[in-house]
Amino acid sequence: GQNIDQPTEMTATEGAIVQINCTYQTSGFNGLFWYQQHAGEAPTFLSYNVLDGLEEKGRFSSFLSRSKGYSYLLLKELQMKDSASYLCAVRFHGSSNTGKLIFGQGTTLQVKP
Amino acid sequence: DGGITQSPKYLFRKEGQNVTLSCEQNLNHDAMYWYRQDPGQGLRLIYYSQIVNDFQKGDIAEGYSVSREKKESFPLTVTSAQKNPTAFYLCASYLSGVDGYTFGSGTRLTVV
Repeated sequence: GQNIDQPTEMTATEGAIVQINCTYQTSGFNGLFWYQQHAGEAPTFLSYNVLDGLEEKGRFSSFLSRSKGYSYLLLKELQMKDSASYLCAVRFHGSSNTGKLIFGQGTTLQVKP
Repeated sequence: DGGITQSPKYLFRKEGQNVTLSCEQNLNHDAMYWYRQDPGQGLRLIYYSQIVNDFQKGDIAEGYSVSREKKESFPLTVTSAQKNPTAFYLCASYLSGVDGYTFGSGTRLTVV
């Protein structure tokens, strides 16, 4: 199978740092995406990793270890507007032309004052 | 500006009725997808299409049907055979590369 696992819920304090983990089965891996989704809205693209290491985009960073089948999304200087669901999605070989992504169940992050 | 348009945003259906959700894109993307999202859950793939006049079943295709007669359009029909159709439906398209999908704004379907 191609299970993708992430925690269901997380809570953090405004101004703090939070790390959202994602694990996946490594066979056929061909890229990992992170999306942010506010309630009732479409997901929006945050980051893409296909090689090992850290990708930084402002307050958001994403890390990938292909050998461990592991990624995390790091959110710094949390703001109230960061309260949302964060979706981890993986593309597997055989789907690079179609772009078909397999999504985790999403992590709902609540930022408290 | 290019994008994907889903309509309607909210849709109510009586049990036993078929209903069609619209998805139109002007991005010139070849591949298009339909996902279903239930509360507190991730996206599950219903159908996808890589080119015009061709489409494949996803993980939860039962009770749904699609067509791809034009590159720009990929409508989804929720049939009466779908036992639990109340959900948030997302359409997406894809060209290539690192940006992943472009999503529509979604249609929330409620069976009454």
